[in-house]
Amino acid sequence: DIQMTQSPSSLSASVGDRVTITCQASQDINNYLNWYQQKPGKAPKLLIFDASNLETGVPSRFSGSGSGTDFTFTISSLQPEDFATYYCQQYNNLRYTFGQGTKVDIK
Amino acid sequence: EVRLLESGGGLVQTGGSLRLSCAASGFIFSNYAMSWVRQAPGKGLEWVSSISGVADWAFNADSVKGRFSISRDNSKNTLYLQMNSLRDDDTAVYYCARCLVTAAADPNDYWGQGILVIVSS
Repeated sequence: DIQMTQSPSSLSASVGDRVTITCQASQDINNYLNWYQQKPGKAPKLLIFDASNLETGVPSRFSGSGSGTDFTFTISSLQPEDFATYYCQQYNNLRYTFGQGTKVDIK
Repeated sequence: EVRLLESGGGLVQTGGSLRLSCAASGFIFSNYAMSWVRQAPGKGLEWVSSISGVADWAFNADSVKGRFSISRDNSKNTLYLQMNSLRDDDTAVYYCARCLVTAAADPNDYWGQGILVIVSS
C-alpha cells in the first residue's frame, strides 16, 4: 500500500502569512493527489484535486503543486477562516490513503 | 443541491453488527462512485471503502477487509456500509462521500455530515 507522509503535523501562523504543507508518497502516484480542509466538527472540504487544480468556489490563495512523489500545498496569505486541519489524499488502484494531517492554528 | 445524509449509527457491542445508510439527492446517483471515510475521535481521516456507480467493483481498506461490506441501491439513491465483527477501534465518525470520477485522482467532492459509531463492550 502507498503511504503518505505529511509535514509538519502542526504549525502556528499569523493572518497574512504564507503557509506551506508538504506530502510525500512512498511511490510514484503521478498527479493523483488531493487536498482537503477540515474544521472542528465538520466534514472535510475539497480544495485542490489532481495535485494542482482548484475546486470550484475555492479562493485563489490556495494552490497545490507537485507530481510523482513530492507535493506541496500553499496558502499565499492566511486568512482568519483558514485556521483548520489540512489533509492530503492519494488515489491509486481504486484505493485512497490520507496523510496524517496538518493543524494550522493562530500564532 | 447535492445532499448526502448518513443514518444508522449508534452504540454497539464489541463483536456486533451495524448497517450505515447514506441517502443521496441532487445528482444522478448511479453516475458516481461513492466512498466511506471514517475518523476516530481526535484522529485523522481513514478511507474505508469505495464502490462504482453501477456496483461492478468495490474495494475495502485492509483494516476492514472481511468485516465490512459496501453496497448501493441505485433505485433508492442510497449507499450502505454493512459492518460486522465490530472492534473497539472501529469507533469513529463515518462519512459518506461522492467521488468525482471526471478527475484523475477521484477526489471526494461532496461529503455527508457524518454519523458516529461507538463500539464498546
